[in-house]
Amino acid sequence: SAVISQKPSRDICQRGTSLTIQCQVDSQVTMMFWYRQQPGQSLTLIATANQGSEATYESGFVIDKFPISRPNLTFSTLTVSNMSPEDSSIYLCSVEDETLEAEGYTFGSGTRLTVV
Amino acid sequence: AQSVTQPDIHITVSEGASLELRCNYSYGATPYLFWYVQSPGQGLQLLLKYFSGDTLVQGIKGFEAEFKRSQSSFNLRKPSVHWSDAAEYFCAVGPTDSWGKLQFGAGTQVVVTP
Repeated sequence: SAVISQKPSRDICQRGTSLTIQCQVDSQVTMMFWYRQQPGQSLTLIATANQGSEATYESGFVIDKFPISRPNLTFSTLTVSNMSPEDSSIYLCSVEDETLEAEGYTFGSGTRLTVV
Repeated sequence: AQSVTQPDIHITVSEGASLELRCNYSYGATPYLFWYVQSPGQGLQLLLKYFSGDTLVQGIKGFEAEFKRSQSSFNLRKPSVHWSDAAEYFCAVGPTDSWGKLQFGAGTQVVVTP
């Protein structure tokens, strides 16, 4: 299956600053997804990132707060802007994985963000 | 509205005992169904998935799940639990007509006692 490298694995940031999370895949994928997992909660999709087009954001998430880049078929970044303690979460990227028949979706190991 | 329900927030099971985690969904049509496991401090690992065909699906780590269309359920089972199975388990559904977002249940925390 696809292998996803997500960086950083964790960070502690000051409120008001921004953090950019990187997601690198070892194969070309059309769609990449960014999820947020708040403490003790399930995963919520932030946005879908397709190469060559603007990311599509889910309700409650806006580009100014979570800008996304998708410069090629193996890489994407998510920036968490003007952070507040409420942004403390695990952020995960995910890709559709067609390396095996109907493989499903593969997830990165996540970025654990703490905002102080 | 689409939804995924995992009725059990927390389950405690003895090592060697059987485990069943429940998942019910509400979706426009039969979706693709997934079970993921998240160990402490880790990302999500795919345990198994159902796309079509045989409704009893075998996964990794000795897990299996059964899709029951009439009950809109996709319950996860393991005959004999190991201490390393202590983790959070998420049921998820996704669209069948294209790659798209997954909708996750709230998760079930599994604690394994000696």
